[in-house]
Formats: sequence, structure tokens, C-alpha cells
Amino acid sequence: EAQVTQNPRYLITVTGKKLTVTCSQNMNHEYMSWYRQDPGLGLRQIYYSMNVEVTDKGDVPEGYKVSRKEKRNFPLILESPSPNQTSLYFCASSFFRGGNSYNEQFFGPGTRLTVL
Amino acid sequence: RKEVEQDPGPFNVPEGATVAFNCTYSNSASQSFFWYRQDCRKEPKLLMSVYSSGNEDGRFTAQLNRASQYISLLIRDSKLSDSATYLCVVNMRSNTGKLIFGQGTTLQVKP
Repeated sequence: EAQVTQNPRYLITVTGKKLTVTCSQNMNHEYMSWYRQDPGLGLRQIYYSMNVEVTDKGDVPEGYKVSRKEKRNFPLILESPSPNQTSLYFCASSFFRGGNSYNEQFFGPGTRLTVL
Repeated sequence: RKEVEQDPGPFNVPEGATVAFNCTYSNSASQSFFWYRQDCRKEPKLLMSVYSSGNEDGRFTAQLNRASQYISLLIRDSKLSDSATYLCVVNMRSNTGKLIFGQGTTLQVKP
């Protein structure tokens, strides 16, 4: 089954304790992205990657890191989580043909993170 | 001003009603437009793309007005299962594949 998976689905942690949220897709997509969703603010892009070893900042990258060592995986790292990073996080992937083209983005099921 | 704006609602309508959502975008260079559907606490899923000439998919019709910079979604004969949040999404004219999401419009269809 074609899908995007995220782990963990739910996480409660404390300020300053490093954590990683994993994201994996089995559709051989070049493009992967992380979003956070907060009430009244909608989905905002944190980081994106257009291919292996190619990553760039989105709109709200502060406090986050990513890596793209393999095509299928795109982990999100919070080195020192803070309460303002409490949010619902989504990973997404799509094919990407470059230029102005766009393909449907497939989203993972979400990770609900609470930082105390 | 937000890049993509939607009325958050909620829109409460009876089954069988016709309901329309509008969305405005600020960047005239925007390239592609979409409606995504998001059920409560679940991931967004593509509902339909929006083409310049307008397009229809069953009970759903999407329209684009580039001159006024808005897109619309019309749902006819609403079903209980249409209850969800509808996200207006815009792809900027760039080579990054970046999507800008509106905050969503919530629809509740009542029996």
C-alpha cells in the first residue's frame, strides 16, 4: 500500500529533551516536506527536501533540523524542544518534476507533540 | 495580510443543501490551486485541483477567478459525510513545489 508513515503518533516530552520524529514514504517520491498545524494558523511549512541531500527552510524553521540521507526517509529533529513547539506535525511527499509543475502531496497521519 | 485567506466558518447546513466556500490569495503570480479535505485530527487529502476553466467532480465544482484572485468550491446535495474542514491551497510560481495553505473552512452537515 502506498503511504507516508510517521512515528511516533503521539508524544509528550519535556523542555530541552532532544527528540526525532521519523517520516518514511514508499512511493519513490523526490519531494518531502514537514508542516506544523496550529489552531487559527493553518498548515505552515517547516522544512522541505527536493531530493536526497537537498533540503531547505520553509516558513517556520527555527528550532528544527532535518536530514535527507535516503530518498524514502525525512526525519524531523527537535534538538531542544520548547512549549511553543507543541503542535500537530505532518510529513508529506510527492513526485516533483521541477519548474512550475506540481503533483499531489500525500500526507502522513500526523504526530501530536506536547512539550511541557 | 495572509497569503491565502478563508472564512473559517463553521458552516452549518442541512443535508441536501448547496454550500459554497470562497478563498482569496494575495500573490498574483500564484500558479496552481487546489482544495484539500481534512477530517477531524486526520491528515489532509486532495479533494480536487482547480483549473482556469473551472472543473467539476460529481457534486463538487471548483472555480478560479485570476483577475479577482479567488477560488471557490461549490458542494451540491450535501451529505453527512461531507462534514470536514476544506483547505484552500495555492502553489506559488517557483521551482520549490511549495504549497501555501489557508486555515480552512469547517463544514457541518446536519440531518
